[in-house]
Amino acid sequence: DIQLTQSPSFLSASVGDRVTITCRASQGISSYLAWYQQESGKAPKLLIYAASTLQSGVPSRFSGGGSGTEFTLTISSLQPEDFATYYCQQLYSYPRTFGQGTKLEIK
Amino acid sequence: QIQLVESGGGVVQPGGSLRLSCTASGFPFSSYGMHWVRQAPGKGLEWVAIISYDGSKEYYADSVKGRFTVSRDSSKSTLYLQMSSLRTNDTALYYCARDIVSSRRIEGPEWGFDDWGPGTLVSVSS
Repeated sequence: DIQLTQSPSFLSASVGDRVTITCRASQGISSYLAWYQQESGKAPKLLIYAASTLQSGVPSRFSGGGSGTEFTLTISSLQPEDFATYYCQQLYSYPRTFGQGTKLEIK
Repeated sequence: QIQLVESGGGVVQPGGSLRLSCTASGFPFSSYGMHWVRQAPGKGLEWVAIISYDGSKEYYADSVKGRFTVSRDSSKSTLYLQMSSLRTNDTALYYCARDIVSSRRIEGPEWGFDDWGPGTLVSVSS
């Protein structure tokens, strides 16, 4: 199975900050990586697919990058509604594994 | 508007069975592969299973293989997850989710899950 390791697991930041979350895969997955946002008590929401393609309706302050084994999710200027948990997911092979999550909290 | 609504969750004893349903609307259900994903209380996301758009192929996580069966009824726009030999560590919120690409052969890579239901809670406890 392909393992995904996100860093950091917890992140404390302020409104307006720029933050970056990293996701590392245990083997190459080309660009078959997605990022999801999960607010407390809600279902996950797709933010980015194909490593860097913004899902329709997602604000442009979110961006994704990387390929192979190292990927990033960047939020350029944090808004109050962005404080949530973020997951990466590989879709290269089965099982479709997720990273352990990064909880983004208000400083 | 795309809508996915899970149902069928509840409390069941270890070794018991349960069938979850996911009713879809707002899109051509028969054209999309569908997934089940679960989340144990306070934990991360775990992919469970996928069924192809035409119901001809399925894949499962090792943790549920041989115990869970995914199926679909396109006449009812409904996805199912039949769960048997349930264990305490199957306790989770179960989500159904839609493949982002229609009519895709599920053997290969894919791009993501673009719509999710709110989930249904399964609790396995004696």
